[in-house]
Amino acid sequence: AQKITQTQPGMFVQEKEAVTLDCTYDTSDPSYGLFWYKQPSSGEMIFLIYQGSYDQQNATEGRYSLNFQKARKSANLVISASQLGDSAMYFCAMREGFGNYGQNFVFGPGTRLSVLP
Amino acid sequence: DAEITQSPRHKITETGRQVTLACHQTWNHNNMFWYRQDLGHGLRLIHYSYGVQDTNKGEVSDGYSVSRSNTEDLPLTLESAASSQTSVYFCASSEGEKLFFGSGTQLSVL
Repeated sequence: AQKITQTQPGMFVQEKEAVTLDCTYDTSDPSYGLFWYKQPSSGEMIFLIYQGSYDQQNATEGRYSLNFQKARKSANLVISASQLGDSAMYFCAMREGFGNYGQNFVFGPGTRLSVLP
Repeated sequence: DAEITQSPRHKITETGRQVTLACHQTWNHNNMFWYRQDLGHGLRLIHYSYGVQDTNKGEVSDGYSVSRSNTEDLPLTLESAASSQTSVYFCASSEGEKLFFGSGTQLSVL
């Protein structure tokens, strides 16, 4: 079964508007972490934001916030005030396993975001 | 600064040849991973290691092998390259919450 689902293969957003990228996950591990990575056309994987399964508050990093709904198993990325430089592929990922040993990271298929001027 | 380095950045090879992709990290991380990235599939796990002499198969391990003789290196070997192995390969390491990626290797098997 797919552990990370991203249902939006591609999305468009107008510059300066907010956009939400969807991510749902599936795990039976009580301790897990959720991540978003950005991959621009240059190809590198850039870490954006992290949410731990026990964190009470939604994670925020500048213009990025993670809308964590544990009961629904969703971890949507919200980008506020989109910029042209936000055009990229975005991957949702999940870490299973506790501590530094035995971690397993799984990735979704990605969403390609295009920001329009 | 600590980092994770992949080499080569680009490689073209012929079917049937053995190819080795290098991955070297200077963070002293125990956990290291190899992923391949293909359109529509995101990143899929090939092999991973939780420490020296430890290696494990991921979801797409057929045709690949790894070895871990020290903490810093996890080379990925394609025993007999196939056209289906044309892909972008990422090495990564982790310690704690984050996964750190190398710059990737674009491999073309002709």
